[in-house]
Amino acid sequence: SQQGEEDPQALSIQEGENATMNCSYKTSINNLQWYRQNSGRGLVHLILIRSNEREKHSGRLRVTLDTSKKSSSLLITASRAADTASYFCATATIQGAQKLVFGQGTRLTINP
Amino acid sequence: GAGVSQTPSNKVTEKGKYVELRCDPISGHTALYWYRQSLGQGPEFLIYFQGTGAADDSGLPNDRFFAVRPEGSVSTLKIQRTERGDSAVYLCASSPGPPLDTQYFGPGTRLTVL
Repeated sequence: SQQGEEDPQALSIQEGENATMNCSYKTSINNLQWYRQNSGRGLVHLILIRSNEREKHSGRLRVTLDTSKKSSSLLITASRAADTASYFCATATIQGAQKLVFGQGTRLTINP
Repeated sequence: GAGVSQTPSNKVTEKGKYVELRCDPISGHTALYWYRQSLGQGPEFLIYFQGTGAADDSGLPNDRFFAVRPEGSVSTLKIQRTERGDSAVYLCASSPGPPLDTQYFGPGTRLTVL
């Protein structure tokens, strides 16, 4: 079963706008990771945030984590057509720390 | 260096047949993971190896699925008596090892059972 839920399931914006995706999860985590997937194949790791962290940045990406609400958000600033992909959050729970539990993903489309 | 590689990239088989899917992890990575992704869904965990041993196989759906990693590097996922419901993309990932490292994914093998 999947622990996380991404919101929205699909998002379509204009190039240059910011995109925000949210992830909620159910059980306590050790860390939360965001991945990007193009064309339903390999996943590319974007960022990892640990349970004792609240915010992390990587280039145009900003991730926040609120463990009290069991939620995370991924912000992509100044979006580009190449950002079009599916984005997944994945949690490493305290009990099963070595396996990732993925949500169903957000399909992001950047319109030129 | 080279990333995680998986072969074949696509596999079409008939119901009831046996298939093997191969994963070559990043050199030096001690941890290896298998996931399965159905259309429109996120990946689901199958099994995790630390070295040669399966440290967590709780995600294997039934005893038709088996995986090995005899020398602590390459891994093979084996599916017996395939069923149409086994059709999915099978993803392999590796990481340098605990604790809680980033997992690096391969391109996947798309399995289609007719």
